Amino acid sequence: GENVGLHLPTLSVQEGDNSIINCAYSNSASDYFIWYKQESGKGPQFIIDIRSNMDKRQGQRVTVLLNKTVKHLSLQIAATQPGDSAVYFCAENIGTGGFKTIFGAGTRLFVKA
Amino acid sequence: DVKVTQSSRYLVKRTGEKVFLECVQDMDHENMFWYRQDPGLGLRLIYFSYDVKMKEKGDIPEGYSVSREKKERFSLILESASTNQTSMYLCASSLGLAGAPPGELFFGEGSRLTVL
Repeated sequence: GENVGLHLPTLSVQEGDNSIINCAYSNSASDYFIWYKQESGKGPQFIIDIRSNMDKRQGQRVTVLLNKTVKHLSLQIAATQPGDSAVYFCAENIGTGGFKTIFGAGTRLFVKA
Repeated sequence: DVKVTQSSRYLVKRTGEKVFLECVQDMDHENMFWYRQDPGLGLRLIYFSYDVKMKEKGDIPEGYSVSREKKERFSLILESASTNQTSMYLCASSLGLAGAPPGELFFGEGSRLTVL
């Protein structure tokens, strides 16, 4: 079946360094991709999204890159801070209205002080 | 800010008990969802609803049912709880087809259910 997966289950970075979290997706019909951040004891929170007609989108300290050729999504966090420590999920949407969002397994980001 | 409230953060139930998980959102969102979250499996969709009294099965509906009698409230029901339903349950809502980008979900803080 089609699913969204992640290359690495955990990532450890030094405070101040840049972080890159990768995601592979297999559903060619997906047209909308989202990254969520989940801190301990909380529900996931939206970070940034990108539509399939774009290959890059920037937010505050975060950038999402989409490579449709190889079906790859990445989240880049600049100048990683201790508050960035969390589990990050990539998700893809099939169709409009958010009815069918498929989540990856998640990557845990550890930030070392 | 959107607020999605799940009534119980932690529950412990016995096998065979009926379990109700309640979720309320305060932003007049059309869509509501129930996911379960298990380590290494990410979030899996159980049921969703795009309108009052409407419901659709997600990827893992077996053993669950839902109720949406009012727009702001979406309940997940375990008719006869089993140990394999021990999990974190997350409720979410989204605006709908118009307005916010499609697919942006607003989550509650989760209900951790343990079935003994």
